[in-house]
Amino acid sequence: DVKVTQSSRYLVKRTGEKVFLECVQDMDHENMFWYRQDPGLGLRLIYFSYDVKMKEKGDIPEGYSVSREKKERFSLILESASTNQTSMYLCASSPGQNYGYTFGSGTRLTVV
Amino acid sequence: DQQVKQNSPSLSVQEGRISILNCDYTNSMFDYFLWYKKYPAEGPTFLISISSIKDKNEDGRFTVFLNKSAKHLSLHIVPSQPGDSAVYFCAASARNTNAGKSTFGDGTTLTVKP
Repeated sequence: DVKVTQSSRYLVKRTGEKVFLECVQDMDHENMFWYRQDPGLGLRLIYFSYDVKMKEKGDIPEGYSVSREKKERFSLILESASTNQTSMYLCASSPGQNYGYTFGSGTRLTVV
Repeated sequence: DQQVKQNSPSLSVQEGRISILNCDYTNSMFDYFLWYKKYPAEGPTFLISISSIKDKNEDGRFTVFLNKSAKHLSLHIVPSQPGDSAVYFCAASARNTNAGKSTFGDGTTLTVKP
């Protein structure tokens, strides 16, 4: 059974902290994505990667960075957490163009 | 500018009847469209997709229709079952983008009443 695993289901962090969200996929997929989901705003793309060490900004990259040192792992970094980054974060992967994503279960991040 | 819109935040139908979820898009470069289902506390699950070269795709109880001239797609669920109660997201991608990244709508919450 193919899987995308996000390391934490729930996280509570303080304003100004550096936060790492980890995502691992076991399907040898080329593409990986980070979205955030907020009520009334749907899923918004933060960053994505189409190869190891290749990354591209999505629609809302401000305040975030990413790292993809290995094909199976895609990390989202909040450089200095702020309360407006409180959200559900979803990681996904896909094998290429015109394929549906496989999503992880999500990380509910609260910044206090 | 929201490129993918789901104008109905919620929909309620009776078990056994048809559920129709709608989605509109504005970007004429979109050529692949997808629907996802999401239960609370879980990530979205891919449901069905359609390429712009088709106008209909069917998978069991789920059918997606695409009207390119109207930039409109719809998901039909027949017959609806209580287990179909979830949030449904429409998504679209364009061929000239890296990784086939998708743009999502806001979602429609479907409630199927027994």
